[in-house]
Amino acid sequence: GENVEQHPSTLSVQEGDSAVIKCTYSDSASNYFPWYKQELGKRPQLIIDIRSNVGEKKDQRIAVTLNKTAKHFSLHITETQPEDSAVYFCAASLGNQFYFGTGTSLTVIP
Amino acid sequence: GAGVSQSPSNKVTEKGKDVELRCDPISGHTALYWYRQRLGQGLEFLIYFQGNSAPDKSGLPSDRFSAERTGESVSTLTIQRTQQEDSAVYLCASSTIGTSNQPQHFGDGTRLSIL
Repeated sequence: GENVEQHPSTLSVQEGDSAVIKCTYSDSASNYFPWYKQELGKRPQLIIDIRSNVGEKKDQRIAVTLNKTAKHFSLHITETQPEDSAVYFCAASLGNQFYFGTGTSLTVIP
Repeated sequence: GAGVSQSPSNKVTEKGKDVELRCDPISGHTALYWYRQRLGQGLEFLIYFQGNSAPDKSGLPSDRFSAERTGESVSTLTIQRTQQEDSAVYLCASSTIGTSNQPQHFGDGTRLSIL
């Protein structure tokens, strides 16, 4: 099956700086990569996703890049704000199954 | 409905008791997933239902765990003879299935505490 690794496990940045979270996957057949944001005590919320036929996707301050050859994808948050503080999970989808990373706890320091 | 609904939101029970957790998926979503999330941990896959196909039970941690789903509607996750290590948030998610992958939509989860 698929194996997804996520780094770093914790990340602190100053407000206004950028944050980057990286994930790798093992199965080249995976073709869909969503990112979820989970605030404390809340449900995971989809924030951006990318499919394997695309190398980059951007939505305002959030962007995701995908390198199929290297089997890794990254989440980029620019101009971070305190409300970006949360746990972020990457996932790789193979068929209709989803494999999640272990999460990155992002803290944005005002 | 507007989103995935789970009940109860919180459940406290004594070790050895059985518990039943409920998930109402978004109407029209044929795929339904159960995950376990221990405190400060990631999402651990438990079971996946897709329409009337046989469920993927490969993530169930022991035979004390079982789940059912009738058609494309409500699902229940049952934990028998609960143990303290079962304490976690149990998340349900649903999605549509199309020609390309579709994102999952999560419920708020059931926070289960075993005393």
